Amino acid sequence: QQPVQSPQAVILREGEDAVINCSSSKALYSVHWYRQKHGEAPVFLMILLKGGEQKGHDKISASFNEKKQQSSLYLTASQLSYSGTYFCGTEKNYGQNFVFGPGTRLSVLP
Amino acid sequence: DTGVSQNPRHKITKRGQNVTFRCDPISEHNRLYWYRQTLGQGPEFLTYFQNEAQLEKSRLLSDRFSAERPKGSFSTLEIQRTEQGDSAMYLCASSLALGTGSYEQYFGPGTRLTVT
Repeated sequence: QQPVQSPQAVILREGEDAVINCSSSKALYSVHWYRQKHGEAPVFLMILLKGGEQKGHDKISASFNEKKQQSSLYLTASQLSYSGTYFCGTEKNYGQNFVFGPGTRLSVLP
Repeated sequence: DTGVSQNPRHKITKRGQNVTFRCDPISEHNRLYWYRQTLGQGPEFLTYFQNEAQLEKSRLLSDRFSAERPKGSFSTLEIQRTEQGDSAMYLCASSLALGTGSYEQYFGPGTRLTVT
């Protein structure tokens, strides 16, 4: 079952922060985050495993709330290069039933 | 360039024709995935292989679609009797899955199929 992402789209100015949410109605093993720029293939950002962990690198971080089956991607002090569509991908068990969400389109303006 | 290559990059075919796409994954990766993506949508899972074994196939996948990964290296995706609704970007990804923990999928550039 496809995870739900919110918001569908967000427009920011450089330097502003954004949060993208991904939720599932089923118990998850992991949540993956990818970014896809227009005309390009998706690129891996990070993966969070069940256990409620939080990860981050540079100014992009994410959390996974196992009780709520919800993950959030945090983009702080956004840069123009952050523009693109962000997809979460979920799996119920390791390597099984992997499904991407519908995506959140992020536009960062100067 | 992620190291995953796909050929051809573009394919235009007439309805009813068969088409075959090829994906060459990163050499040490044991898993290979096929996805289909249409404009404005997320990649839709089609199937995946662990080495040469096809472990999962989407229930939405028509019998006109078949995939192989002989010898656990490259993979081919064939669509028989193409329909206009098959027009999409077909993405291949590979990963090194060790049975537990985390793994990331490396995507190829995709093959854009147009059925006229």
